[in-house]
Parts: sequence; C-alpha cells; structure tokens
Amino acid sequence: DGGITQSPKYLFRKEGQNVTLSCEQNLNHDAMYWYRQDPGQGLRLIYYSQIVNDFQKGDIAEGYSVSREKKESFPLTVTSAQKNPTAFYLCASSMWGELFFGEGSRLTVL
Amino acid sequence: DQQVKQNSPSLSVQEGRISILNCDYTNSMFDYFLWYKKYPAEGPTFLISISSIKDKNEDGRFTVFLNKSAKHLSLHIVPSQPGDSAVYFCAASQAGTALIFGKGTTLSVSS
Repeated sequence: DGGITQSPKYLFRKEGQNVTLSCEQNLNHDAMYWYRQDPGQGLRLIYYSQIVNDFQKGDIAEGYSVSREKKESFPLTVTSAQKNPTAFYLCASSMWGELFFGEGSRLTVL
Repeated sequence: DQQVKQNSPSLSVQEGRISILNCDYTNSMFDYFLWYKKYPAEGPTFLISISSIKDKNEDGRFTVFLNKSAKHLSLHIVPSQPGDSAVYFCAASQAGTALIFGKGTTLSVSS
C-alpha cells in the first residue's frame, strides 16, 4: 500500500532529552513536510524539504532539526532546546500541491 | 501574522442541513486553496481544492467557493451528516511554497 508512515505513534520523553520522529513515504513524492498541531493553533509548519539533501525552516523551526538523505525519509529531531515540545506531530508529502498526511505522532514530555 | 484565518472555531448543524465553513486569507499571491478534514489523533485527509483561476469546485456533497476580490473561500457541505463531524482546516499556497493552514473549525452535526 502506498502511503506515509510515522513512528512511533506515541512517545514519552523526559525533559532534556532529544527524540527523533520517523517519517517514511513510498509515494515517490519529492516534497516532505513536518507540521505541529496544538489545541487552538491549527497546523504550524516546522520544516519542509522539496528535494533530497535540501530543506527549509518553517514558521516554528527553533528547537527542531531534520535531515533528508533519502527521498523516502524525512526524520524530525525534537531537541532539548525546544521549549514546549508536547504536541501532535504530522508528517506529510506532496508532488503537486495536495498534501498527504501520515497518522501523526503524539509526543509527551514528562 | 496569520495569512489564513478561520474565524469560527466551531459550528453546529443539524443532520440534513447545509454546513458552511468560512476561510479568509491575506496574501493575494496565494493561487491554490484546499480543505482538509481531521479526526482526533489522526492525520488530516484531503477533501477538496480549488485553484485561483476558478470560483467554484464541486465534489459530491462538498463545494468550495472562491471569492478572490474578497480573499475569501467557503466550504459547503450539503446535506450534512453526523459522520462529517470533525475539524476542518483551510489551507493555501502559492506556487512552490508549503501550505499555510488556518486554525481549523470544529463542525458538529447532530442527528
């Protein structure tokens, strides 16, 4: 089945720890994105990548890092510098405009 | 500064009636607009889109209207069904850039 797979679905982290969220797609899409959803905030763009080995900061990139070594993969690292990391994280990919989303990963910092 | 605004956080409609969800934008360079539907703890799913060269696009019970002069678009759902209850996000982009999303409107359809 073609689609976007995010893992883990649920993740707990202690303060001060980095954590990496996985995002894999087999849709052969060039562009991939990371959004964060908070109650009442909608979806806010963290990072996006339009091609392998290239990525750009979104509106709320501080405290996050990404890599795009393969077309299929766009992992997001939530670093200890991110002041409020507890949120629902959504990965997406696209070829022409329309985004296809994964199921999301819920990160809770204890 | 929000470029895409959904000013109604919530909307309640009776089953069988029309649901109208509204969205305003500020960037006149946006040329592609989309609506997504989202259930709790799931990723958003694409509903319908419209490009700036059109003023209406219809897909079954869903119709999107675009008023470029007013920088306004709306999603009409007719007839509304209980399964339509979800959060609806409006999104916009200009060529080559990432989608910008509104904050969402929670639609509740009662039977």
